[in-house]
Amino acid sequence: NAGVTQTPKFQVLKTGQSMTLQCAQDMNHNSMYWYRQDPGMGLRLIYYSASEGTTDKGEVPNGYNVSRLNKREFSLRLESAAPSQTSVYFCASTTRGQPWEPQHFGDGTRLSIL
Amino acid sequence: EDQVTQSPEALRLQEGESSSLNCSYTVSGLRGLFWYRQDPGKGPEFLFTLYSAGEEKEKERLKATLTKKESFLHITAPKPEDSATYLCAAGAAGNKLTFGGGTRVLVKP
Repeated sequence: NAGVTQTPKFQVLKTGQSMTLQCAQDMNHNSMYWYRQDPGMGLRLIYYSASEGTTDKGEVPNGYNVSRLNKREFSLRLESAAPSQTSVYFCASTTRGQPWEPQHFGDGTRLSIL
Repeated sequence: EDQVTQSPEALRLQEGESSSLNCSYTVSGLRGLFWYRQDPGKGPEFLFTLYSAGEEKEKERLKATLTKKESFLHITAPKPEDSATYLCAAGAAGNKLTFGGGTRVLVKP
């Protein structure tokens, strides 16, 4: 019963470095999401993928790219990390991406950019 | 613009002291109101979905209710293991989910 698995759990980067956050779900869900969580700001949507082969921007997409590798995996890439991207990143998934479906979350990647 | 506001930001309770958390929402075309529990260092864990005003759902010491403008999460006779951050989110038309900032609950023995 893994659900949504995110790797790595922690990462420290220097400004300008790049990295990819990985997310995989084993629930046969069609839709996947990337959020960031900052103190006092709640969860904000970065990008989402309604189904395999599609991706769309969310509320805060600048500085990020995503890839829906297959039905199970959805990665988030920071091409040139900035201190403002220090945050906790969560991946989530739902069966069909309908607004009445609860999203199921991984345990996050804690990212610090120096 | 869709908005979800939770209050209070933090709540300290004695074990057994019941209380309520508030979630006020302004969204276009509500499709579902969600409550999540989040423990430190973990992702949000789904608790309830409410779909229409007047609906109520219960799980152990938690009871969620929904009106046309607000949702409440009532914690009855809380125990220390109920300490967590509780998140509210509104799912609206256009497949958009808007989260509130959360309420941190600490239950002291």
